[in-house]
Amino acid sequence: GIQVEQSPPDLILQEGANSTLRCNFSDSVNNLQWFHQNPWGQLINLFYIPSGTKQNGRLSATTVATERYSLLYISSSQTTDSGVYFCAVAAAVSGAGSYQLTFGKGTKLSVIP
Amino acid sequence: EAQVTQNPRYLITVTGKKLTVTCSQNMNHEYMSWYRQDPGLGLRQIYYSMNVEVTDKGDVPEGYKVSRKEKRNFPLILESPSPNQTSLYFCASSLFGQGYGYTFGSGTRLTVV
Repeated sequence: GIQVEQSPPDLILQEGANSTLRCNFSDSVNNLQWFHQNPWGQLINLFYIPSGTKQNGRLSATTVATERYSLLYISSSQTTDSGVYFCAVAAAVSGAGSYQLTFGKGTKLSVIP
Repeated sequence: EAQVTQNPRYLITVTGKKLTVTCSQNMNHEYMSWYRQDPGLGLRQIYYSMNVEVTDKGDVPEGYKVSRKEKRNFPLILESPSPNQTSLYFCASSLFGQGYGYTFGSGTRLTVV
């Protein structure tokens, strides 16, 4: 199956700092998503980004599908950005007519005041 | 409000005592799926369902059962829970299992002692 690797596994930032999270995947995928899991465990979909660049406020993401990686940028970080960021890629399930979502192990971000 | 509802949110049980975690969605989605999240491993798919009466195994199906008798409900059944099934469980749905547009439930934290 597809392998998804995220780096770094842990990141501690001072409030106001910028950061880049990386997601590498081992094979061609149909699409890619970034999720944020807040400290209460809730999973929030940040971006659906099979290719190109998208921005949403202080967050932006870029996927270069031909080189099999995606980057999530967080600018001017805030304490509310803390949590775990997951990259998930979707690939077709042979004969099933659906796509399986494979998650990376996540990057745990802690933003300190 | 469009949502996926899981119950219970927290559950502590003993080894061998059958339990069911319920999942219900109100978006008329065809596709539903169960994941478990363990520290350092990300989310791994247990079972998924493309439609009523259609279910299939994910990456870690051992020790679990599911059923899809109605479109809106997708319960996860642990016939004989063991301590290695202690985990955080998420139910998710999407319109057609197209690999994006997932809505996740709030999670069920299960402890088997």
